[in-house]
Amino acid sequence: DIVLTQSPGTLSLSPGERATLSCRASQSVSNNYFAWYQQRPGQAPRLLIYGASNRATGIPDRFSGSGSGTDFTLTISRLEPEDFAVYHCQHYGSPPLYTFGQGTKLEIK
Amino acid sequence: QVQLQESGPGLVEPSGTLSLTCAVSDDSISSNYWWSWVRQPPGKGLEWIAEIYQSGTTNYNPSLKSRVTIALDKSKKHLSLELHSVTAADTALYYCARHIPGAYRGFAYWGQGTLVTVSS
Repeated sequence: DIVLTQSPGTLSLSPGERATLSCRASQSVSNNYFAWYQQRPGQAPRLLIYGASNRATGIPDRFSGSGSGTDFTLTISRLEPEDFAVYHCQHYGSPPLYTFGQGTKLEIK
Repeated sequence: QVQLQESGPGLVEPSGTLSLTCAVSDDSISSNYWWSWVRQPPGKGLEWIAEIYQSGTTNYNPSLKSRVTIALDKSKKHLSLELHSVTAADTALYYCARHIPGAYRGFAYWGQGTLVTVSS
């Protein structure tokens, strides 16, 4: 089974700063099947990035995704107050078919 | 855009069956989409449970497959989930989701979730 490991577990930054979140897969995966989600407190996850680098509908261009193989990155260029949330990476492929990372909490410093 | 709304009993007794439905606001339930259930135990990460295509094709998480049934009712425009022989470990927020269309595999639209507690 593929395991997705996100780092750091918690990231403390200030509004206006740049955030870089990492997700590492235990084996090489397809870019087409890699996604990122944002989950604000008390809310459902929201799709940010699919196919590793494609922004979902309505997602601001300060969010970008990159990477391939085993290493993927979500970058938020300039943090807005509403960006402080938990971020999940996700892959489709090997059993259990859809795998999520454990999440990175982005908190206000 | 599509709206998804989960519903079901908030409390289920151990060894019982958890039954949830997800109401779909538009006719996309009859279109070429995959639909899934995903759960999140309190304070923990996300776990995919099962998916179903509009044709009726299903896939299940192997860790839950023996206990889970997913179904689609196009006439009622809803998605359903049954999870049998529940234990406290099944306590979670349960989400339904409509997938990203086409070749990409992920979850484009989510319901708000319904909390299910397994307890006597």
